[in-house]
Amino acid sequence: DAGITQSPRHKVTETGTPVTLRCHQTENHRYMYWYRQDPGHGLRLIHYSYGVKDTDKGEVSDGYSVSRSKTEDFLLTLESATSSQTSVYFCAISDLSQSYGYTFGSGTRLTVV
Amino acid sequence: GENVEQHPSTLSVQEGDSAVIKCTYSDSASNYFPWYKQELGKRPQLIIDIRSNVGEKKDQRIAVTLNKTAKHFSLHITETQPEDSAVYFCAASIDSQGNLIFGKGTKLSVKP
Repeated sequence: DAGITQSPRHKVTETGTPVTLRCHQTENHRYMYWYRQDPGHGLRLIHYSYGVKDTDKGEVSDGYSVSRSKTEDFLLTLESATSSQTSVYFCAISDLSQSYGYTFGSGTRLTVV
Repeated sequence: GENVEQHPSTLSVQEGDSAVIKCTYSDSASNYFPWYKQELGKRPQLIIDIRSNVGEKKDQRIAVTLNKTAKHFSLHITETQPEDSAVYFCAASIDSQGNLIFGKGTKLSVKP
């Protein structure tokens, strides 16, 4: 498909539990991003990566951590899930040498109960 | 930091009419402005983009215009069709890492 997959597609978890979302790409793009999408807020940047082991915070990073041990994988971890983290999470990839345009994954719908 | 405002939040047009969505940005250093279309339950997809050294760009029925002085850019869709119904997001690039700040979206409904 688009060379980017997210897993799981849906998850329900309990408050206080750790959750890890995975983004996998086959495009060998350097840049990867995690966004969350909420009604009335659009898409907000959580964390991004500009290379293996190179990550930085976005505008809504509190309560989230990320890791990138391989070019193809970018993991988003909620250390202790809260109800305010119920959202749809999108991963995106970009190859800035070609274009600044993002390719998004299909999203993960996370519900924290 | 950068802030992107998008208007209107909802837009309803008759099939065949034109639709215009407007965005303003705050950081004069922003240099890349993409537009994404998101159909219900799907991922956002890039439909057109423009760089700060260009004033207008067209691709068939869609066009984007940029006014750097006023710090606003607009999406124009002509001859709208029901399949144009979706949520549209504008965005602005804020740094060399390609990070995008998005507007809150416009829900476009095209009535047959």
